[in-house]
Amino acid sequence: QSALTQPRSVSGSLGQSVTISCTGASSDVNFYNRVSWYQQSPRTAPKLLIYEVTNRPSGVPDRFSGSKSGNTASLTISGLQADDEADYYCCSYVATYTWVFGGGTSLTVL
Amino acid sequence: EVQLVESGGGLVQPGESLRLSCAASGFTFSSYSMNWVRQAPGKGLEWVAYVGVSSTTINYADSVKGRFTISRDNAKNSLSLQMNSLRAEDTAFYYCARDHQHAFDIWGQGTMVTVSS
Repeated sequence: QSALTQPRSVSGSLGQSVTISCTGASSDVNFYNRVSWYQQSPRTAPKLLIYEVTNRPSGVPDRFSGSKSGNTASLTISGLQADDEADYYCCSYVATYTWVFGGGTSLTVL
Repeated sequence: EVQLVESGGGLVQPGESLRLSCAASGFTFSSYSMNWVRQAPGKGLEWVAYVGVSSTTINYADSVKGRFTISRDNAKNSLSLQMNSLRAEDTAFYYCARDHQHAFDIWGQGTMVTVSS
């Protein structure tokens, strides 16, 4: 299975919104509604932000939202804050008990 | 507090073996499938292995199939990863992660494995 495709970096100003895309294939992102998103700050473990394309675990602010259209899933972060600066990874369930991650996107908050 | 704590990482030579452990606490371990995910230094995340609640379902990434073995002991609330025939490209932080609706909702702090001569 090939890795999902994410932009290497995105940036946005404080208070604005940014969207990170995650492109897969018709056999994974499009086929399964099992896309998840993770936030990873330096030297820390990843944190789950979104699961099943649009669902937020308890404790994750509603500034983080997920969506999907065809082979592309997206994570939108609204009302950017300084501590949103981190790496973001998408992940898709791609086959029976098999997962693939995207290459990661570095978010810079200006 | 829901927690996963990995241990067992270290420096080994190519071809050698290492066994990682993950101790779970704060939740009913036997009710959750578990995974190992790794991250090479400065690189992205890579799913490595999955084990279902009763160990009847197990799967591996192609990159480790035939070399790594995932196992669990529900009585001891522990997850393991036996890594044989280690290669330089296996050098990474290894995280254990709890499965929730085919996502990874709880992660340990990670344990570093370095394969180098």
